[in-house]
Amino acid sequence: SQKIEQNSEALNIQEGKTATLTCNYTNYSPAYLQWYRQDPGRGPVFLLLIRENEKEKRKERLKVTFDTTLKQSLFHITASQPADSATYLCALEDDKIIFGKGTRLHILP
Amino acid sequence: GAVVSQHPSRVICKSGTSVKIECRSLDFQATTMFWYRQFPKQSLMLMATSNEGSKATYEQGVEKDKFLINHASLTLSTLTVTSAHPEDSSFYICSARGDGGTYEQYFGPGTRLTVT
Repeated sequence: SQKIEQNSEALNIQEGKTATLTCNYTNYSPAYLQWYRQDPGRGPVFLLLIRENEKEKRKERLKVTFDTTLKQSLFHITASQPADSATYLCALEDDKIIFGKGTRLHILP
Repeated sequence: GAVVSQHPSRVICKSGTSVKIECRSLDFQATTMFWYRQFPKQSLMLMATSNEGSKATYEQGVEKDKFLINHASLTLSTLTVTSAHPEDSSFYICSARGDGGTYEQYFGPGTRLTVT
């Protein structure tokens, strides 16, 4: 069956360090992968999209990699700040868009 | 950036009544809108996809007669939960895609529905 897996446990990172979140998938061959941020009680906010022919995408302090052989995407936040604390969701689209459960990130001051 | 609004943000209703949730794209035309449900600490679950002017496509297990979706214009979609039950209590979120061929979705702020 098709699956998207993200670190199920919360990730605690010291302010200023790089936070790395993982998204693994099985039984998909997505043309692209997306990352969203969701704050409690709010709708997700689109962050980045990376296509299958792109190995890396950057936006300010964010970096996403996409390895279609490993079936994995890594999401990095450099110079992390407490305001980066949120749940981060990865999403794939096959015949419909599927979201992972998300990883809760806590940046500790 | 693209803005999607939802109304109401919170609603409490009695069991057996119906509730309508509105989703509007404020600064772009949304060819496609999506309705999701999210339970605490769970992933977003797609309920249905609606294209303007046509019937919504419901995901397996979602009752189309219970969750009525109308996408009457390029900026408005509505979800009506009919004969609500306590188990329908959840966080309902809509999203929209523009007609520019992009893949990202722009989400509304969500509606917290509590059925008593």
